[in-house]
Parts: sequence; C-alpha cells; structure tokens
Amino acid sequence: AQSVSQHNHHVILSEAASLELGCNYSYGGTVNLFWYVQYPGQHLQLLLKYFSGDPLVKGIKGFEAEFIKSKFSFNLRKPSVQWSDTAEYFCAVNAGNNRKLIWGLGTSLAVNP
Amino acid sequence: DGGITQSPKYLFRKEGQNVTLSCEQNLNHDAMYWYRQDPGQGLRLIYYSQIVNDFQKGDIAEGYSVSREKKESFPLTVTSAQKNPTAFYLCASIPTGSYNEQFFGPGTRLTVL
Repeated sequence: AQSVSQHNHHVILSEAASLELGCNYSYGGTVNLFWYVQYPGQHLQLLLKYFSGDPLVKGIKGFEAEFIKSKFSFNLRKPSVQWSDTAEYFCAVNAGNNRKLIWGLGTSLAVNP
Repeated sequence: DGGITQSPKYLFRKEGQNVTLSCEQNLNHDAMYWYRQDPGQGLRLIYYSQIVNDFQKGDIAEGYSVSREKKESFPLTVTSAQKNPTAFYLCASIPTGSYNEQFFGPGTRLTVL
C-alpha cells in the first residue's frame, strides 16, 4: 500500500536555526508532492508543491523542498527559522490516477524565541 | 471572497446523538473531501465525492455518512455508531483539472460528551 513517512514527529529549534523535515513516500510511479502547514488556530494551507520540472521548489515564507526521485523523498527546508514558523507540517503525496492524497502523520515544530 | 466554509467552529453533542457538520464551497470545485484529524495521527480520509450525487468511502468511513446533492455542499453526519467521534473535522476541495492540490476549510471541532 502507498504510504508517506515523516521522520520527525516533534522538532524544537531556536530562532535562526536551520530546518529540515524529512518526507519519504512509497510509490514507484509519477507523483505530485505537497507540503502543508497548520499554524496554531488556523486552517491547513499549502506551503509548496511539486508536479514536474525543477526538483527544487520554493514555497511561501522562505521554505523550499527538494524532490529526489531515487530516494523517494521530498524534504522540506528553511535556512533560518522564526518563532512564527511554529506550526504543524504535513507532507502529502498524490500517486497514480486518482484524486486522493496520502498524508504523513505530521511534524510539530516549535521555535523558541 | 471564494473559499470553503465549515460551520460551526465548535460543536458539542451528547453521546448517542447524530450530528451533521456543514461544508460549503463557492470555488466551483468538483471534488470534495472529509478528513478527521487527531493528535499524532495526521489526516485520515472519511469520505470523498468527485461529482454531484456520487461519493466514495475513505479509510475510516464507519460511523459516518455523507450526501452530495449540490456541487457546493458536502455535509458529513457523525452517527451514534461512530465509537470515538470527538475530533477535529476538516473539509477540503479540489478544482477540476488540477494536480490534486487540496484547499481546506477552517475545520469543526466536535466534542461528544
């Protein structure tokens, strides 16, 4: 069965530290990849997405992610986090010819000022 | 303003009562989804609908029911058969012809007492 694995469940960082959140998926065919963010008290919103082309994609608020097909990975990065990045981050994959997303369990990020 | 509306934001019900959660969108999106979000468990798909008058079970459909009589509306009923209904419920939609990027409503937090 297709699955998405987020390696870090809880991450605590200080402001200005660099961030990398891991995401791996299990599917051998074409995929569309997403990172969503849920700030405290707010609804889920799209951070960035990959459909095709340049495997390094840039999203909102300085986030980027790199699609490495050989590793089935789509890790999220930010060079310098801010307190306002405190949120829950979800990786999701659309695989095959259907309209469902497969979700990771999420990573809770806390950034200390 | 286009968007997805879920009401109410907080809902309380007594055990044994059915309750219906509202989801309305004015984005002209074809497909709509219901998820349940519990701490540490990510998003789990309850039901989804790709067109009016058609819907499919997701991964955790037991104890839930839906209808899709109008394109704009996809209400979810949490029945008394749902063993653990207290949760945060999210509605999402996808535009026609998209790469399955999902747009989310603000969610309804249901507490069954």
